[in-house]
Amino acid sequence: SQTIHQWPATLVQPVGSPLSLECTVEGTSNPNLYWYRQAAGRGLQLLFYSVGIGQISSEVPQNLSASRPQDRQFILSSKKLLLSDSGFYLCAWRETSGRTNTGELFFGEGSRLTVL
Amino acid sequence: QQPVQSPQAVILREGEDAVINCSSSKALYSVHWYRQKHGEAPVFLMILLKGGEQKGHEKISASFNEKKQQSSLYLTASQLSYSGTYFCGTPRAYNFNKFYFGSGTKLNVKP
Repeated sequence: SQTIHQWPATLVQPVGSPLSLECTVEGTSNPNLYWYRQAAGRGLQLLFYSVGIGQISSEVPQNLSASRPQDRQFILSSKKLLLSDSGFYLCAWRETSGRTNTGELFFGEGSRLTVL
Repeated sequence: QQPVQSPQAVILREGEDAVINCSSSKALYSVHWYRQKHGEAPVFLMILLKGGEQKGHEKISASFNEKKQQSSLYLTASQLSYSGTYFCGTPRAYNFNKFYFGSGTKLNVKP
């Protein structure tokens, strides 16, 4: 069966510090991978998605970046965090859609980031 | 690009019914519904693909109108366990790899 893991679960970082969140998926190959951010009490904002190794699409200009060094690994990074980067970060995977759009998203447990 | 959800929040007593709407100015290729418990990741409930489709999941069901521009989630005889935030989501037309969510509806079921 497929599983998705995200870490760290919680972190508190000072403004200007770097960030690295990691997500790995098991039990599937060539999945679509996604990073979403959820500010407190708000909706799910799509940050990045990837359809393959090294292929990253950015949705919102910001000081975050994403990388996919391996098929089932997705990393969210920042060189210098801002206060506005605080939130609940969710990684998700989905079967490669291609011409179809029926695949549901499976989410990791989430990483709660507080920037002070 | 993002679908619009309404209402933003609902407070119910156990046993009451609720309807959550998700709409778009353009036809949606499909609509997904998810529920997120506080502090947890969203969990998939169901997907609707065809105009006019209706689908059920225990006492939670959903419909997709003929024009595929609106979907509604129906929660009947609500239970305490239904509390959470409900999101509709949809892939973007012409690029199914992008997936957007509505703003969410917070449902609070009280005893």
